[in-house]
Amino acid sequence: SQKIEQNSEALNIQEGKTATLTCNYTNYSPAYLQWYRQDPGRGPVFLLLIRENEKEKRKERLKVTFDTTLKQSLFHITASQPADSATYLCALLMDSNYQLIWGAGTKLIIKP
Amino acid sequence: NAGVTQTPKFQVLKTGQSMTLQCAQDMNHNSMYWYRQDPGMGLRLIYYSASEGTTDKGEVPNGYNVSRLNKREFSLRLESAAPSQTSVYFCASSDQGGTQETQYFGPGTRLLVL
Repeated sequence: SQKIEQNSEALNIQEGKTATLTCNYTNYSPAYLQWYRQDPGRGPVFLLLIRENEKEKRKERLKVTFDTTLKQSLFHITASQPADSATYLCALLMDSNYQLIWGAGTKLIIKP
Repeated sequence: NAGVTQTPKFQVLKTGQSMTLQCAQDMNHNSMYWYRQDPGMGLRLIYYSASEGTTDKGEVPNGYNVSRLNKREFSLRLESAAPSQTSVYFCASSDQGGTQETQYFGPGTRLLVL
């Protein structure tokens, strides 16, 4: 069956360190992969998109990698801050029906 | 510019009751979506509307109906609520739908069915 996996356990990181979140998928051939941030009680907010032919994408302190051989995306936040604490969701865009398939998200906690 | 708005923010229903969740966007987007979010699970698509006048089923459409009232508004109706429909419901919109368009989400409606 089709599956997207994100670490279900919260990730605790010391302020100033780099946080790395993982998104693994099976049985998909996604055209694009997106990362969203979700704060408690709010809807997801788009952060970054990476295409299947791109290895890496950066935006300020954020970096996303996409390895279609490993079927994995890594999401990095450098120089992390307590304000980065949130749940981060990955979503794959399927070329076949143009629908987003979502992971359950990883909760990131940045400790001062 | 409010983005995507949803009403109500919170609702409690008894089993068998009906209700309509409202969604509106002011970004002139063509595509709109209804998702549900349950603990430990990813967002699941209930219905979507690629453009005004069209609607299509998503992954979990059973027990729901939708109406794309106009380009701005997309409503979700529960005809006979069941406890399994207790969830947080998000409406989203995007400019063209699919391709590389990102989705913009509303704040959600928290629904509890007793």
